[in-house]
Amino acid sequence: QKEVEQDPGPLSVPEGAIVSLNCTYSNSAFQYFMWYRQYSRKGPELLMYTYSSGNKEDGRFTAQVDKSSKYISLFIRDSQPSDSATYLCALYWGNQFYFGTGTSLTVIP
Amino acid sequence: KAGVTQTPRYLIKTRGQQVTLSCSPISGHRSVSWYQQTPGQGLQFLFEYFSETQRNKGNFPGRFSGRQFSNSRSEMNVSTLELGDSALYLCASSSQPGSYEQYFGPGTRLTVT
Repeated sequence: QKEVEQDPGPLSVPEGAIVSLNCTYSNSAFQYFMWYRQYSRKGPELLMYTYSSGNKEDGRFTAQVDKSSKYISLFIRDSQPSDSATYLCALYWGNQFYFGTGTSLTVIP
Repeated sequence: KAGVTQTPRYLIKTRGQQVTLSCSPISGHRSVSWYQQTPGQGLQFLFEYFSETQRNKGNFPGRFSGRQFSNSRSEMNVSTLELGDSALYLCASSSQPGSYEQYFGPGTRLTVT
């Protein structure tokens, strides 16, 4: 079993839709949780991070962590074509980052 | 501030050859991590260097090695290349080990034929 599981998609939504991206993990020792966005032919860029269970909001993005269920989510409100990218969850424990395989998102104008 | 730079951006090699990839971190950053990204496995951690010392290593064979220089620039080397080594190799820099604020370079796309 992989440390982090992420549905690869692809996910295709109309502009303005609410997008939900999810990851599950197996190790309860994970200390903090991040979401990265990766455009084609670019390296990943950090979108959001959080240490604790609950919600963290940043503009149109909300990161949610449920440690009891070992489940993390990223919600994108009012999605835009510029949000079209691959989204990766990442978790940190034991001096190492563990990444999901990424979900490919396309927002259709 | 200049971002993370990786050279070369694209590389084609033959099975059995070796390859060296280079990464220059953001100025002032002393921690450099390397990752392999493939469609099936996603981003997998290779190793992390801090102040010229390997701090942590992922689950990759010994054919994968790296080093860091006194100016924080880092290189990774893959010897005896296999077809399965074809991947995007990403370098990430941070100010200190374990920081959630990792900044990735654009990657080196390695194709092994």
